[in-house]
Amino acid sequence: QLQLQESGPGLVKPSETLSLTCTVSNGSVSAGIFFWGWVRQPPGKGLECVGHIYQSGSTYYNPSLESRVTISMDTPKNEFSLRLISLTAADTAIYYCVRSSGVSDYYYIDVWGKGTTVTVSS
Amino acid sequence: SYELTQPPSVSVSPGQTASITCSGEKLGDKYVAWYQKKPGQSPVVIIYQDTKRPSGVPERFSGSNSGNAATLTISVAQPMDESEYFCQAWDRSTAVFGGGTKVTVL
Repeated sequence: QLQLQESGPGLVKPSETLSLTCTVSNGSVSAGIFFWGWVRQPPGKGLECVGHIYQSGSTYYNPSLESRVTISMDTPKNEFSLRLISLTAADTAIYYCVRSSGVSDYYYIDVWGKGTTVTVSS
Repeated sequence: SYELTQPPSVSVSPGQTASITCSGEKLGDKYVAWYQKKPGQSPVVIIYQDTKRPSGVPERFSGSNSGNAATLTISVAQPMDESEYFCQAWDRSTAVFGGGTKVTVL
């Protein structure tokens, strides 16, 4: 069964850059027709899609974060990464790496990582 | 950007039926998924493509979608169904989520 595991710092200072990596096991980021991405949940709030990367390398970002976010894929390492710059307290959240399955213009998230808590504080 | 709206909370008695709505402009033209999220756990998909249940999801969970609203129905609610539920649609190659609905079974 495909598994996703997030890794990265739990505490980041305001204005700095967050870098998270998602390691894929029991499957390949280059197999099938999937989107690989990140979803976050701030404390006491709902889920928010950060963005996705397709196996072709095409990326799609939440418009509200687009100016600050980059998602990339490392196929040989079988992992993908999130980079979010200019952090503020509003970026404090649990960050989940996810796989989305579907067809055409419809996808849903069928695999979630366990999530990693990121706190932005000095 | 596309928006989905859910009621913040729903209460249901054990054994009764709970319905959670998810509203969005012409939502019926899109496919909707529903996720169950319990505290400290990752979300789990319980309905996808409006009505389909992944293997292992109890039959008491069902979904529908038409017009401007999708509905998740929990029939014969169980105490274990107490959770937060999120709807999700796909818009411009990104996932859009509703704000979530906390279901209380009491």
